[in-house]
Amino acid sequence: SAVISQKPSRDICQRGTSLTIQCQVDSQVTMMFWYRQQPGQSLTLIATANQGSEATYESGFVIDKFPISRPNLTFSTLTVSNMSPEDSSIYLCSVGDVSARRAYEQYFGPGTRLTVT
Amino acid sequence: DQQVKQNSPSLSVQEGRISILNCDYTNSMFDYFLWYKKYPAEGPTFLISISSIKDKNEDGRFTVFLNKSAKHLSLHIVPSQPGDSAVYFCAASAKRGETSGSRLTFGEGTQLTVNP
Repeated sequence: SAVISQKPSRDICQRGTSLTIQCQVDSQVTMMFWYRQQPGQSLTLIATANQGSEATYESGFVIDKFPISRPNLTFSTLTVSNMSPEDSSIYLCSVGDVSARRAYEQYFGPGTRLTVT
Repeated sequence: DQQVKQNSPSLSVQEGRISILNCDYTNSMFDYFLWYKKYPAEGPTFLISISSIKDKNEDGRFTVFLNKSAKHLSLHIVPSQPGDSAVYFCAASAKRGETSGSRLTFGEGTQLTVNP
């Protein structure tokens, strides 16, 4: 499986500011995803990061709040904009490869723990 | 609408015994199921998966059983080891097409504690 890194690993931010989270993969992958895990809750898909086109957002998530970039097949960023305490979560990127036999499987980065004060 | 549910938030077993983690789903379009293990301060780690065309998949100490008619799957760990103590997430996918990838829907997780 691919090795996935995220920066920063954690951050404490003030409300109203924005934070950009980076996800780097050690090999080219077709699919990259961004998830959120709020305290005590499950993982929720925010969006699919598409290389060369706009991200595909899930219901309840919008581009203005969570802009995503995917400039190539190994890198993506997620920005959490105009943050409020409700945005305090762990943000995770994951990768999948539809060319593989196990096309459904996704592999996750270590996560970014965000606290908004 | 919680399409994937893990009704037990926690489970405690003795080392060497069997751990059984359960998961229920409501969406009949789900055709692939996965289990992930998560340690604190780490991302989820893929453990084992099963396609809807099968009812059992085994990998070492881990076996996943799928009962499609009941929309239920379970993960068996035997024998359980203290290092298995983690949060286990059940996830499900309904393929959306060859080029769109697969969207995972996760359950709430079950905290497994294996006591020495």
